[in-house]
Amino acid sequence: DQQVKQNSPSLSVQEGRISILNCDYTNSMFDYFLWYKKYPAEGPTFLISISSIKDKNEDGRFTVFLNKSAKHLSLHIVPSQPGDSAVYFCAALGAGNQFYFGTGTSLTVIP
Amino acid sequence: DVKVTQSSRYLVKRTGEKVFLECVQDMDHENMFWYRQDPGLGLRLIYFSYDVKMKEKGDIPEGYSVSREKKERFSLILESASTNQTSMYLCASSYSHRKWNEQFFGPGTRLTVL
Repeated sequence: DQQVKQNSPSLSVQEGRISILNCDYTNSMFDYFLWYKKYPAEGPTFLISISSIKDKNEDGRFTVFLNKSAKHLSLHIVPSQPGDSAVYFCAALGAGNQFYFGTGTSLTVIP
Repeated sequence: DVKVTQSSRYLVKRTGEKVFLECVQDMDHENMFWYRQDPGLGLRLIYFSYDVKMKEKGDIPEGYSVSREKKERFSLILESASTNQTSMYLCASSYSHRKWNEQFFGPGTRLTVL
């Protein structure tokens, strides 16, 4: 059963606008969340993370928001750039250092 | 520069063959992972290891086994390859301490089983 879900398989955004990628999880024991970015023919690379004791973490153009009561996190990219076009995975860290990944959202930033 | 390497980028095997996928990391990480990535299913954990000679089943271990004889090397074994094991296989590693939660991934191996 999928414990981490990304319900939007794809998203298209104009360059310069905001991209919002969403992720939902079911296990309230998850206490650390990460976003990864994946280009074709490459492995995923870490983008940004957030601990459950926070509700926001910002790193340059990337901000992750966590709503624990709703078991929801989102990644905001502002402003979006064509180089941001990639597949984005959210992941949650469970017991025993096991990571649970979502199904991914393919972001296309249109120049 | 941190590095996770995988032995092959592309591999084509026949049904019934025994397949070895090798992963090596140079970061002295305790944890190592094998995932497969399929369209619409994301990354699914096959096996992971938190120490030499230790292994734990992930979500989809059936048809796979693993070996970790040295800290830096984690091997995924398909005992008898089947067509439904055609996939992208990703290896990753991480520190054991929870404050170092980032996983580092290799470039992946695209396996095709005919």
